[in-house]
Amino acid sequence: EVQLVESGGGLVQPGGSLRLSCAASGFTFSNYYMTWVRQAPGKGLEWVANIKQDGSEKYYVDSVKGRFTISRDNAKNSLYLQMNSLRAEDTAVYYCAREFTAVTAEGWFDPWGQGTLVTVSS
Amino acid sequence: SYELTQPPSVSVSPGQTASITCSGDKLGDKYACWYQQKPGQSPVLVIHEDSKRPSGIPERFSGSNSGNTATLTITGTQAMDEADYYCQAWDSSTAYVFGGGTKLTVL
Repeated sequence: EVQLVESGGGLVQPGGSLRLSCAASGFTFSNYYMTWVRQAPGKGLEWVANIKQDGSEKYYVDSVKGRFTISRDNAKNSLYLQMNSLRAEDTAVYYCAREFTAVTAEGWFDPWGQGTLVTVSS
Repeated sequence: SYELTQPPSVSVSPGQTASITCSGDKLGDKYACWYQQKPGQSPVLVIHEDSKRPSGIPERFSGSNSGNTATLTITGTQAMDEADYYCQAWDSSTAYVFGGGTKLTVL
């Protein structure tokens, strides 16, 4: 069974840092792009970042560029999101997801983990 | 930046057909996909590449995409289909984009 399990969320003060982890199992992790998507309380979905199979390419939504860093360890089947200079507007449930891509490079996400809540507040 | 627009809510009677739209500039030139999210749960992919259903997704879910609008259609809607639905596409300037979500009420 394909499974993604996030961890590392919690309460952090504005300006603080947090590192999220996503443990993957049930598939060959190194064969897939992986992605992070977040959802603020009561709001919609927002794509945050993704990373190529070998980690050589990384992409971010503008609002987190320079503050968040996505990485992966294929030997440990794990995906990470290092979040620095956190702001109140980063408060959200953060989901990791496996990414599929069509021949056109357009992609979709399946499955998603259960999510981990990050709360940025003083 | 690229944007996708969905109606905030759609209502349907049990057994009837529900249609949820997603609009974006020349969306028909891109692939659209759809996710279902029930309260307190993670999103689940129900349609990818405009009209393809992942394994395990009931046949009553279908999709289409043409012009500026992608549509998710649920035929014979059941109470268990009540959820939020999000469309998503990829754009070269914005990367991945989600619609704002549509709350489907089955009443």
